[in-house]
Amino acid sequence: TQLLEQSPQFLSIQEGENLTVYCNSSSVFSSLQWYRQEPGEGPVLLVTVVTGGEVKKLKRLTFQFGDARKDSSLHITAAQPGDTGLYLCAGGPGGGADGLTFGKGTHLIIQP
Amino acid sequence: DVKVTQSSRYLVKRTGEKVFLECVQDMDHENMFWYRQDPGLGLRLIYFSYDVKMKEKGDIPEGYSVSREKKERFSLILESASTNQTSMYLCASSPQGANYEQYFGPGTRLTVT
Repeated sequence: TQLLEQSPQFLSIQEGENLTVYCNSSSVFSSLQWYRQEPGEGPVLLVTVVTGGEVKKLKRLTFQFGDARKDSSLHITAAQPGDTGLYLCAGGPGGGADGLTFGKGTHLIIQP
Repeated sequence: DVKVTQSSRYLVKRTGEKVFLECVQDMDHENMFWYRQDPGLGLRLIYFSYDVKMKEKGDIPEGYSVSREKKERFSLILESASTNQTSMYLCASSPQGANYEQYFGPGTRLTVT
């Protein structure tokens, strides 16, 4: 069974600070996605990484896929209250029909 | 933009009732999924479908069934609702071979009393 471990589980920081959250596995994934979920809503896809060592930037968010394609990180620069949410990583394939394996997420709170 | 819609945002049902949750996607995706999300347990796959009239069990199919009569619609059925099925239900769709990216609906918060 493939597992994705996310850390930290909870993180509360002040506006303007930088942070990094992690997504780790002992399994190799052919691709990895990051999603953000706000309370009462469905997850929204932020980015997909597919190549070992790949780095993608989305404004103040930087995503990296590990060289061995077993882990990933999300770095946020100068966090803002709008970044608050649950950040989920998911790796594929994790099941039939293009299924995904999801981590349990990092709950991020950015305080003004 | 991909759009996945779910029939209800909030639903309250009584124990023993039959419950239907509907999901529609407008991007001609082959694959559709039903998850439930609970605090501390993350997203758990209930059922998925890779084609019309095809269905496969996920990790926690007990107490649920599904129906996919049309490509764009995937229904989740709780045959006899129980209180332990109180949860957030999320539908997702994905195209074949697109690096496994999934697109989610807004979710249905189901409470069974």
